[in-house]
Amino acid sequence: DIVMTQYPDSLAVSLGERATINCRSSQSVLFSFDNKNYLAWYRQKPGQPPKLLIYGASTRESGVPDRFTGSGSGTDFTLTISSLQADDVAVYYCQQYYTTPRTFGQGTKLEI
Amino acid sequence: EVQLVESGGGLVLPGGSLKVSCVASGFNFSGAAIHWVRQASGKGLEWIGRIRSKTNNYATTYAASLKGRFTLSRDDSMRTAFLQMNSLKTEDTAVYYCARQADGYNDYWGQGTLVTVSS
Repeated sequence: DIVMTQYPDSLAVSLGERATINCRSSQSVLFSFDNKNYLAWYRQKPGQPPKLLIYGASTRESGVPDRFTGSGSGTDFTLTISSLQADDVAVYYCQQYYTTPRTFGQGTKLEI
Repeated sequence: EVQLVESGGGLVLPGGSLKVSCVASGFNFSGAAIHWVRQASGKGLEWIGRIRSKTNNYATTYAASLKGRFTLSRDDSMRTAFLQMNSLKTEDTAVYYCARQADGYNDYWGQGTLVTVSS
């Protein structure tokens, strides 16, 4: 199985500042056939299901503010939230969909 | 509007069985793969498995730790996916989500249904 590791486990950032969350996979999730990274980011607020933010490592889902940026390739990925807002308080997960079983990172709790 | 609505959760005794449902609307359900993911209270997301479409022979894949106790199925005429859980253990207590597969990733999720395994 591909192991996904996020760091840090928790993060406190001031309003208006930048938050950076990292995710590392135990093997590459870059599919050579199409040169795409099979890596997604989700946000989960308390009491709610996960919400897709980013897929393909860097493509924002429709309706996701451009404050959210995904980057990276191969085994190392980053989710950056610029100009943090109060509404961004949540747990963020990365997930590889390169293969089954699908695997998630352990989550990063973002606080103000 | 794409919607997924889980139901069927509840309290079950250890060793018991439960079948939860996921009713879909707003998209071509018969052409979509459906994933199931669970989350114990205060914990992270755990992938359970996936059932593919008729085009892909309704193929199922499971997390190794759950294979044999959990079974996925679907009824396209009812636009419903099912998760059958047998020999339930206290550690199976969690919120169970279904999610639509887009191009590999999960773009829409249900609100979840709580399954509690306790005596």
